Amino acid sequence: DIQMTQSPSSLSASVGDRVTITCRASQSISSYLNWYQQKPGKAPKLLIYAASSLQSGVPSRFSGSGSGTDFTLTISSLQPEDFATYYCQQSYSTPGITFGPGTKVDIK
Amino acid sequence: QVQLVQSGAEVKKPGSSVKVSCKASGGTFSSYAISWVRQAPGQGLEWMGGIIPIFGTANYAQKFQGRVTITTDESTSTAYMELSSLRSEDTAVYYCARFFRTSTSHYYFDYWGQGTLVTVSS
Repeated sequence: DIQMTQSPSSLSASVGDRVTITCRASQSISSYLNWYQQKPGKAPKLLIYAASSLQSGVPSRFSGSGSGTDFTLTISSLQPEDFATYYCQQSYSTPGITFGPGTKVDIK
Repeated sequence: QVQLVQSGAEVKKPGSSVKVSCKASGGTFSSYAISWVRQAPGQGLEWMGGIIPIFGTANYAQKFQGRVTITTDESTSTAYMELSSLRSEDTAVYYCARFFRTSTSHYYFDYWGQGTLVTVSS
């Protein structure tokens, strides 16, 4: 299976901050990388697919970049509703889908 | 608009089995893939397996091979996930999700059920 890692595992930030989360794959996955946001007690929500495509309805302050093994999710100006846990997920190997361990973003 | 509605919470004894349902509405059920993803308390997301109803063949994560069975009933637009030989480590929220394929063969989970808590305890 392709292993996914994320850094940092958690971060504290303030409203208005620029936040960057990194995801790394154990082998090249081209652009087969998605990002999800999950709030406590809720199902994950798709933010970015194919590494950099914004899902319909997702605010433009979210953006994704990268290809191969290294990817980033950026929130350009953190809003109160963005405090959540973020997961990357590779779809290069299907079946054999794997998620990163998550990055928790909380209030500084 | 696709909606996935899952069955309610379950409490099971170790060694028993659980079957969770996921009823779909909106879209064409038989043509899209349904996957199951679980999340243990305080932990991350773990893909268990998936199925495309029109093909009827399921794929499973190696970790769950032999213990999980994913099926569908096209007449009721419902997918099922059955996990056997339950142990305490299987206590988790189980989600169904649609696994959508784009025209450029990218896949992602775009619609999710509300989750079903399965508690395994003696």
